[in-house]
Amino acid sequence: AQTVTQSQPEMSVQEAETVTLSCTYDTSESDYYLFWYKQPPSRQMILVIRQEAYKQQNATENRFSVNFQKAAKSFSLKISDSQLGDAAMYFCAYRRPQGAQKLVFGQGTRLTINP
Amino acid sequence: EAQVTQNPRYLITVTGKKLTVTCSQNMNHEYMSWYRQDPGLGLRQIYYSMNVEVTDKGDVPEGYKVSRKEKRNFPLILESPSPNQTSLYFCASSFHRDRDQPQHFGDGTRLSIL
Repeated sequence: AQTVTQSQPEMSVQEAETVTLSCTYDTSESDYYLFWYKQPPSRQMILVIRQEAYKQQNATENRFSVNFQKAAKSFSLKISDSQLGDAAMYFCAYRRPQGAQKLVFGQGTRLTINP
Repeated sequence: EAQVTQNPRYLITVTGKKLTVTCSQNMNHEYMSWYRQDPGLGLRQIYYSMNVEVTDKGDVPEGYKVSRKEKRNFPLILESPSPNQTSLYFCASSFHRDRDQPQHFGDGTRLSIL
């Protein structure tokens, strides 16, 4: 079974600085999808960024980018120019390409932005 | 507006009193799923449905039931709730064929079982 691990329960960063959230996963499959979700205090699950395993290029979305290391099974999220609105719980998630579309989530990392 | 609607958003109840959390989506999605979120554990799948009348267990199905009589609705039923089912619950949906597209989540239901 696939597993996803986020080893940093909490992180903090100064406003305008850069922070990297770590995620590792375990799978025997070669094709899959990886996601980062943001959960602000409102509890909504908001998609931040996605990565397809067969694409070598790292995904980017404005201030958010990933460092996808397929061989190391690592999928870290970098947030540049951190803003107060980035404060949230962040979840890394894995999804298989075939079969049921279950998302396997990591434990989450709570990010605090210090003004 | 495309959305997944869960009700209620908050519920405090007592052990053994049957309850239903409703989930409805207006995007004609085939796939629907329920997750529960607990501190330190992330989100874990309870049940899922690939289409009408097709449901299956996820990773933590004990104590829950679901049904999929209509494509848009996927209610979560707790026949005899217990305190260990106190949690934050999310319903999600997506098209089955669009594997690179993210699932759409509802706004969550906070359940407290006393």
